[in-house]
Amino acid sequence: EAQVTQNPRYLITVTGKKLTVTCSQNMNHEYMSWYRQDPGLGLRQIYYSMNVEVTDKGDVPEGYKVSRKEKRNFPLILESPSPNQTSLYFCASRRYRGLLGEQYFGPGTRLTVT
Amino acid sequence: AQTVTQSQPEMSVQEAETVTLSCTYDTSENNYYLFWYKQPPSRQMILVIRQEAYKQQNATENRFSVNFQKAAKSFSLKISDSQLGDTAMYFCAFMKPGYGGSQGNLIFGKGTKLSVKP
Repeated sequence: EAQVTQNPRYLITVTGKKLTVTCSQNMNHEYMSWYRQDPGLGLRQIYYSMNVEVTDKGDVPEGYKVSRKEKRNFPLILESPSPNQTSLYFCASRRYRGLLGEQYFGPGTRLTVT
Repeated sequence: AQTVTQSQPEMSVQEAETVTLSCTYDTSENNYYLFWYKQPPSRQMILVIRQEAYKQQNATENRFSVNFQKAAKSFSLKISDSQLGDTAMYFCAFMKPGYGGSQGNLIFGKGTKLSVKP
């Protein structure tokens, strides 16, 4: 089954404790991205990657890091989480070319930073 | 920069009736894609319908259809015969096709929360 998986689905942590949210896709997609969703703000892009070792900032990259060492994985790293990073996070992937740009979304990760 | 505006934070409709969700966008591009995504209480993002800007014909998917007005930069979603399962947050999104920089990134509106009442 074609899918994007994220782990963990729920996470409660404390300020300053480094964490990683994993994202993996099994569709051999070149393009992957991370979004955060906040009430009244919709989804905003954090980082994206066009292929292995190629990443770039989205609209709200501050406080986040990413890496793309393998095509299927695109982890999101919070080196020193703060309460304003409490949010719902989505990973997404798509083929780089064609297929009308449809993005496949993971199930979301609910992060709470206290 | 492109922007997407959904002016209706919340809407409600009676079961079996028709409802229209509004979306406007701002862009100087001529070729782009527009999408409507549904997010039910499960939080999963589900693609409802998509429209290519160079196609004049409005897209239709079963009970879901769009009214795409390119000159007015308007992209509304019509849901016919509303069902309880249509209760969800709906997001309008814009994407400029391409292979570098911000091309290929989705830009979302803030969403419209739709409640279907029995």
